[in-house]
Amino acid sequence: DIVMTQSPDSLAVSLGERATINCKSSQTLFYRPTNKNFLAWYQQKPGQPPKLLIYWASTRESGVPDRFSGSGSGTDFTLTISRLQAEDAAVYYCQQYYGTLRTFGQGTQVEIK
Amino acid sequence: QVQLVQSGAEVKKPGASVKVSCKASGYSFSNYDINWVRQATGQGLEWMGWMNPSSGNTGYIQKFQGRLTITSDTSISTAYMELSSLTSDDTAVYYCTRGGFGELYWGQGTLVTVSS
Repeated sequence: DIVMTQSPDSLAVSLGERATINCKSSQTLFYRPTNKNFLAWYQQKPGQPPKLLIYWASTRESGVPDRFSGSGSGTDFTLTISRLQAEDAAVYYCQQYYGTLRTFGQGTQVEIK
Repeated sequence: QVQLVQSGAEVKKPGASVKVSCKASGYSFSNYDINWVRQATGQGLEWMGWMNPSSGNTGYIQKFQGRLTITSDTSISTAYMELSSLTSDDTAVYYCTRGGFGELYWGQGTLVTVSS
């Protein structure tokens, strides 16, 4: 199975500042024939199922604010929340969907400082 | 609109099995995989396995090989997740999701509690 490792496990960011979450996979998620990275990002708030934010490593799902952006390729990826808002306090997960068996990172808790 | 509606909470004894259902609506059930994800209280997400309702093909992560079975009944657009030989470590909320580029659609979750 592909192992996904996120860093940090938690971070505290002031309102209006930038939050950066990293995700590293144990093997490449880049599929050359389609020129795509099979990597998604999710946001989860207490008592709710996760919400898909980004897929193909950098494509925002419909309705997701543009302060959320994804970048990276191969094995190293980043989720950036620019101008953090109070409602962005949540746990964020990366997920690979490269193979038929998918895996999540362990999650990163984002808190408001 | 796409909806995945799961069956209600379950309480099971250690060693028993549990079967959770996931009824899909708002799209062609056979056209998308159904995946299962679980989350223990206060813990992260754990992706468990998938099924293609059209072909019947399945795949399970190694951890669950031998005790996880995912099935479906296309006539009623419903998928099932059955987990056997339950232990307290299996206490979690279980989610079904619709496959695709990431998991866009999620069921509401089913709490399975394993307790003697």
